Amino acid sequence: SQQGEEDPQALSIQEGENATMNCSYKTSINNLQWYRQNSGRGLVHLILIRSNEREKHSGRLRVTLDTSKKSSSLLITASRAADTASYFCATPGNYGQNFVFGPGTRLSVLP
Amino acid sequence: SQTIHQWPATLVQPVGSPLSLECTVEGTSNPNLYWYRQAAGRGLQLLFYSVGIGQISSEVPQNLSASRPQDRQFILSSKKLLLSDSGFYLCAWSVPGTGNYGYTFGSGTRLTVV
Repeated sequence: SQQGEEDPQALSIQEGENATMNCSYKTSINNLQWYRQNSGRGLVHLILIRSNEREKHSGRLRVTLDTSKKSSSLLITASRAADTASYFCATPGNYGQNFVFGPGTRLSVLP
Repeated sequence: SQTIHQWPATLVQPVGSPLSLECTVEGTSNPNLYWYRQAAGRGLQLLFYSVGIGQISSEVPQNLSASRPQDRQFILSSKKLLLSDSGFYLCAWSVPGTGNYGYTFGSGTRLTVV
């Protein structure tokens, strides 16, 4: 099954800086999702971007999708300590209604 | 509004003991339901997927089984736990359809098999 791979595996930045995480996948998709997971908790859905969309915003989050390069990026602007979490991209799986998650990017925002 | 409940939050079980984790969803009908497992510092592995009562699909062979006795109830079970069953188990639901909707996850169960 296809799977997104996030890059980098870990990222450490200062509060106020921007954080960029990337996701690459292998085959054509109709949408891609980004999730956040705080330590020891469930995942929280952030953004879904469809294959006919190139960019999507939600508050301080900006997601881009380049279907020609089979890649997506998640940008968090003006980061805060509360943004410290793992971030996962998810692409459609074999069953058509399930998603496959990458290993994630661990983001640490230092105060 | 829709909510998802998953319990217990943590569980320590001896090798060879049975397991039952329960997940219920409120505020929606006929949801797609999922069980995922997450190893420490890793991504999520799909274990089971259900589109309706009694309809269970298994992604990989496991020492685990799943059941959906009611529309909004999803249960993960094992008859005899192995050490390798330790992990963080997450239940999730989504709107049925074309897969163009996000998941809503439960808060997870941390299972330690000793």
